[in-house]
Amino acid sequence: QSALTQPASVSGSPGQSITISCTGTSSDVGSYNLVSWYQQHPGKAPKLMIYEVSKRPSGVSNRFSGSKSGNTASLTISGLQAEDEADYYCCSYAGSSTFQVFGGGTKLTVL
Amino acid sequence: EVQLVQSGAEVKKPGESLKISCKGSGYSFTSYWIGWVRQMPGKGLEWMGIIYPGDSDTRYSPSFQGQVTISADKSISTAYLQWSSLKASDTAMYYCATRGIAARRTFDYWGQGTLVTVSS
Repeated sequence: QSALTQPASVSGSPGQSITISCTGTSSDVGSYNLVSWYQQHPGKAPKLMIYEVSKRPSGVSNRFSGSKSGNTASLTISGLQAEDEADYYCCSYAGSSTFQVFGGGTKLTVL
Repeated sequence: EVQLVQSGAEVKKPGESLKISCKGSGYSFTSYWIGWVRQMPGKGLEWMGIIYPGDSDTRYSPSFQGQVTISADKSISTAYLQWSSLKASDTAMYYCATRGIAARRTFDYWGQGTLVTVSS
């Protein structure tokens, strides 16, 4: 199972909005509304930010939002803050045999 | 509060065996899958495999099938990841994570990670 495709890096200035894409196939992203997004700061464990394409766990800022169209999911962060600078990974359910597949990760730089 | 506490960092030589652990608390350990995720230095997350402690049903990513063994001891709410013969390429951070407690069919709660270094 190939990894989902994400841009290696994105950047934005404080207060701006950015979007990170995550492209899969009809076997994973395209087949299930079960895309999640994780934030990982250096030296820390990943943190769940979005699940089921667009749902936020309790405690996650509403500046984070998710969407999906066809085989591509997206994470949008609005009102960028310095603390948002981190690596972001998408993940999709891929069926009962494969279970999960991750994206390669995107480094977000807040300028 | 759901918590996953992993065993400490390990330094091993090539060819040695190793078993790392992940102890769950604050939830019904036997009712949710626990998975293992590898992160090699400077690289992304890779799903390795997953176990359902209730009946020990275990699934592996094709990339890791035959390379590692995942197990669980439900009497002590602990999952394990083990190697019979380590290679230098096994050097990585390994995370355990629960699946499906707060978020359907994805990893929701994560352990703090166990750093495994394999060097001669």
